[in-house]
Amino acid sequence: NAGVTQTPKFQVLKTGQSMTLQCAQDMNHNSMYWYRQDPGMGLRLIYYSASEGTTDKGEVPNGYNVSRLNKREFSLRLESAAPSQTSVYFCASRSQGANEQYFGPGTRLTVT
Amino acid sequence: GENVEQHPSTLSVQEGDSAVIKCTYSDSASNYFPWYKQELGKRPQLIIDIRSNVGEKKDQRIAVTLNKTAKHFSLHITETQPEDSAVYFCAAHYSGGYNKLIFGAGTRLAVHP
Repeated sequence: NAGVTQTPKFQVLKTGQSMTLQCAQDMNHNSMYWYRQDPGMGLRLIYYSASEGTTDKGEVPNGYNVSRLNKREFSLRLESAAPSQTSVYFCASRSQGANEQYFGPGTRLTVT
Repeated sequence: GENVEQHPSTLSVQEGDSAVIKCTYSDSASNYFPWYKQELGKRPQLIIDIRSNVGEKKDQRIAVTLNKTAKHFSLHITETQPEDSAVYFCAAHYSGGYNKLIFGAGTRLAVHP
């Protein structure tokens, strides 16, 4: 099993450009999450999906959209990137009935 | 809103010493408290967790204690080794959402040989 995978690993965008971060898991987990990690601020939840077909806002959803394409895939889209969105983005997944969240390797995004 | 505070932000110890990291949370209904370790450039990985019906849990050199009345929990690492050097995050389950975790800001632990 690959676990949770994310693409790309690194990305540089100019202000105003758009892009989609991809996340996939092969553990048959129901729940998936997107976090951003900034220095000194820990991990903050952007959006989550409790099951296929449902998504909900987390702590910092502004400027982002998500799609739960199927049970395996959960993508995060930046429609018009801003320098404040420079961060490391982590996707995570969790099995129904369990508490542990498994994280992907992260995407380091820089917006200039 | 829900908040988790973590202290200290940095911790430096000599190899073999113990390290303690403390967290406080605000949601009295929280019932699950994991600790994640993140090595430089890597993903966070769960190292130990505790549920609200237990006061202490141990796994080899690491232990977590929970005081629900005071709403705080702590990570204890004994006999520290250089490979324990990493950033450690505590988290608390937020009862207002579907298994949402609120993370502390992290503690950078450095273990010096």
